[in-house]
Amino acid sequence: SQTIHQWPATLVQPVGSPLSLECTVEGTSNPNLYWYRQAAGRGLQLLFYSVGIGQISSEVPQNLSASRPQDRQFILSSKKLLLSDSGFYLCACPQGGGEGYTFGSGTRLTVV
Amino acid sequence: RKEVEQDPGPFNVPEGATVAFNCTYSNSASQSFFWYRQDCRKEPKLLMSVYSSGNEDGRFTAQLNRASQYISLLIRDSKLSDSATYLCVVNSGGYQKVTFGTGTKLQVIP
Repeated sequence: SQTIHQWPATLVQPVGSPLSLECTVEGTSNPNLYWYRQAAGRGLQLLFYSVGIGQISSEVPQNLSASRPQDRQFILSSKKLLLSDSGFYLCACPQGGGEGYTFGSGTRLTVV
Repeated sequence: RKEVEQDPGPFNVPEGATVAFNCTYSNSASQSFFWYRQDCRKEPKLLMSVYSSGNEDGRFTAQLNRASQYISLLIRDSKLSDSATYLCVVNSGGYQKVTFGTGTKLQVIP
């Protein structure tokens, strides 16, 4: 089964600073990958998904961007963080057999 | 109406009790359904899929009611370790149509 690695686990960044969150996947090849954000008291919101290298689709207009430079690497970035970017960021990929998703351990971002 | 709705709780139940959560969904074309468990400040983890015929895994039973558009999760003989937030997930077709509920918080009390 696949394993997703995310880092860092927690991050405190000032408004206007850049951001780079990395996600890597083991145990599978050519996976679909997703970035979700979970804000306090809200459900998970899909931010980006990728079906392959260099292929990124955005679900919501926002201050963030994503890239997929390698098959098993998915990066979430921002040039200038906003307070509203605070949240719990989760990388995910589908489990085999259509049985839901596997999530990474997440990055808790606080923008101050 | 929200695509997926859950009672946020918290549900405070004593050890050994039976507790049930419901989750309603708005898209009648929804195809697959899941329950996830999320511990405080951790990532969600798949608890169980919800099949049309219902399914059971130990103390946990999940059911789907397509006519009324809801899924349910029943936990029997609650343990302290069951304390968590339970997320309902509905897939209406394709990876971009997966919707997560905001979760129901369960607190099992000694």
